[in-house]
Amino acid sequence: LAKTTQPISMDSYEGQEVNITCSHNNIATNDYITWYQQFPSQGPRFIIQGYKTKVTNEVASLFIPADRKSSTLSLPRVSLSDTAVYYCLVGATGTGRRALTFGSGTRLQVQP
Amino acid sequence: GAGVSQSPSNKVTEKGKDVELRCDPISGHTALYWYRQRLGQGLEFLIYFQGNSAPDKSGLPSDRFSAERTGESVSTLTIQRTQQEDSAVYLCASSLKASSTDTQYFGPGTRLTVL
Repeated sequence: LAKTTQPISMDSYEGQEVNITCSHNNIATNDYITWYQQFPSQGPRFIIQGYKTKVTNEVASLFIPADRKSSTLSLPRVSLSDTAVYYCLVGATGTGRRALTFGSGTRLQVQP
Repeated sequence: GAGVSQSPSNKVTEKGKDVELRCDPISGHTALYWYRQRLGQGLEFLIYFQGNSAPDKSGLPSDRFSAERTGESVSTLTIQRTQQEDSAVYLCASSLKASSTDTQYFGPGTRLTVL
């Protein structure tokens, strides 16, 4: 199971771009990279998922280098409402296989 | 349709009592997951179901914890002889399949307090 490492916390200001990097050195060939966001007193919610190169949606972008040993979640022009914990998950789940696991996440604090 | 629901939303119990936590997944979702989250901590995987079977129970912290799923729908997580360290939010999630490409949809959680 690929282990992930991400910063414990980050601080930013409104309007800035925030990049959170996750290391996953032993990612397997069929593993995908998924990011979730969790607000206080709520369950996590899906943000973005990718396999390689770059993925963009209305919320964020995900950059994955060719070796796939890391990934970077990019949040453009953050606002106060982006204050949350962000989790990076790596893995492949299927019958008889290990479930995806969440780590401790990165606590992002956005200041006015 | 409706999202994942969990009941009760809050449970206060005395040390040594048994508790049952319920999760109703999104209809049609074959995979169901249980997590534990202690205050200020990340999510700790407990168990997941593919249909009614549990391929991965490795996260259950002790034999006091058990879970079952019936009818490929509702799941219950049972904690026997609760201890104070069991106090946490228990989160349930479901996904269409147990695949890394399938989004997990989380319920609001059950906050368990063991006195």
